[in-house]
Amino acid sequence: KNQVEQSPQSLIILEGKNCTLQCNYTVSPFSNLRWYKQDTGRGPVSLTIMTFSENTKSNGRYTATLDADTKQSSLHITASQLSDSASYICVVRRADTDKLIFGTGTRLQVFP
Amino acid sequence: NAGVTQTPKFQVLKTGQSMTLQCAQDMNHNSMYWYRQDPGMGLRLIYYSASEGTTDKGEVPNGYNVSRLNKREFSLRLESAAPSQTSVYFCASSSQGAGTGELFFGEGSRLTVL
Repeated sequence: KNQVEQSPQSLIILEGKNCTLQCNYTVSPFSNLRWYKQDTGRGPVSLTIMTFSENTKSNGRYTATLDADTKQSSLHITASQLSDSASYICVVRRADTDKLIFGTGTRLQVFP
Repeated sequence: NAGVTQTPKFQVLKTGQSMTLQCAQDMNHNSMYWYRQDPGMGLRLIYYSASEGTTDKGEVPNGYNVSRLNKREFSLRLESAAPSQTSVYFCASSSQGAGTGELFFGEGSRLTVL
């Protein structure tokens, strides 16, 4: 079954600390993987899109990794800020369709 | 720089009432989408329009209809609202199709059906 599982469900960290969010998927055949940030009460905003051949991709303090062999991705946030408080959603696209499969997200709270 | 605009932002309906959610994008994108987001679930595709003049069902189309009015506008209609349709609805657009291109989302429309 094509699924995207994210962990942890929620995470609390102190401002300035680093954190890593995990995404495991069983989607096949694989095309690409995206990470979105969704602030409370807002729509998701794209952080990165990674294809099969990309292992690491950065966007400012956000670094995504992809291991297509183990079907795992992570999103690392460096030197967290209060504005990083949001839900982070992992999305995988099947290569044979235009279909996107969304994870349920990790809710991150950054406290001062 | 509006991007994707949805109206209304909030709506409360009684069971059996009808309503239309409006969506407009100003990025000249070909593809537009309607998703719903429910607690504990990933976003699920209701309907999409790959280009002006075409619409197709997504994962959860029952109880909904759509209209691609022109390249900019894509509306979602609930003909007879049910409590199970209480959700947050997101419109999105993409230049190349959701699979290959980046998806741009609206701010969401929060619908409660009593």
